[in-house]
Amino acid sequence: DVKVTQSSRYLVKRTGEKVFLECVQDMDHENMFWYRQDPGLGLRLIYFSYDVKMKEKGDIPEGYSVSREKKERFSLILESASTNQTSMYLCASSFYRDIAKNIQYFGAGTRLSVL
Amino acid sequence: DAKTTQPTSMDCAEGRAANLPCNHSTISGNEYVYWYRQIHSQGPQYIIHGLKNNETNEMASLIITEDRKSSTLILPHATLRDTAVYYCITGGSQGNLIFGKGTKLSVKP
Repeated sequence: DVKVTQSSRYLVKRTGEKVFLECVQDMDHENMFWYRQDPGLGLRLIYFSYDVKMKEKGDIPEGYSVSREKKERFSLILESASTNQTSMYLCASSFYRDIAKNIQYFGAGTRLSVL
Repeated sequence: DAKTTQPTSMDCAEGRAANLPCNHSTISGNEYVYWYRQIHSQGPQYIIHGLKNNETNEMASLIITEDRKSSTLILPHATLRDTAVYYCITGGSQGNLIFGKGTKLSVKP
């Protein structure tokens, strides 16, 4: 089975802190994604990556950056955490670049609270 | 915005079939229909996908109308563990999945 592992299930940080959310997949997938999920807004794409050292902005990249130094690992970075970044963060990976065959596998999520 | 329309909520009796409808009238010819579900406090889980033929796997069946403007996910024998939010999705332009609000399915004993 595909496994996507997010480093923390729950995280509490203070305003202004630099926050790292880590995601690792074990199926040699090329594509990796970071979403955030908020009540009433559904899942929204923050950043994605189709290859090592490659990144593309999603719908809501402001306040975030990403890093993909190795194929299996995709990190989401909050440069200076703010309270409006309190959310559930979900990482996903997929094998095919062709969206017609784009089956994404999700991690369990990290619930981040910024105080 | 999501390109699919689903009922907000549905109930199903345990052991009965759950039929979850979805409208996707603007789907393009090469777009697949995907179904995911999200159990409370977990990440979304892939269920099934299809292009134009009906599909079946160990979890569910997917029935797509001939004009491809709608589909139905069928859970043949719903259990309490199938209580979740079910999302019907067609592929996003960036390879991401555009999740709508989904259907909250409640399976009742």
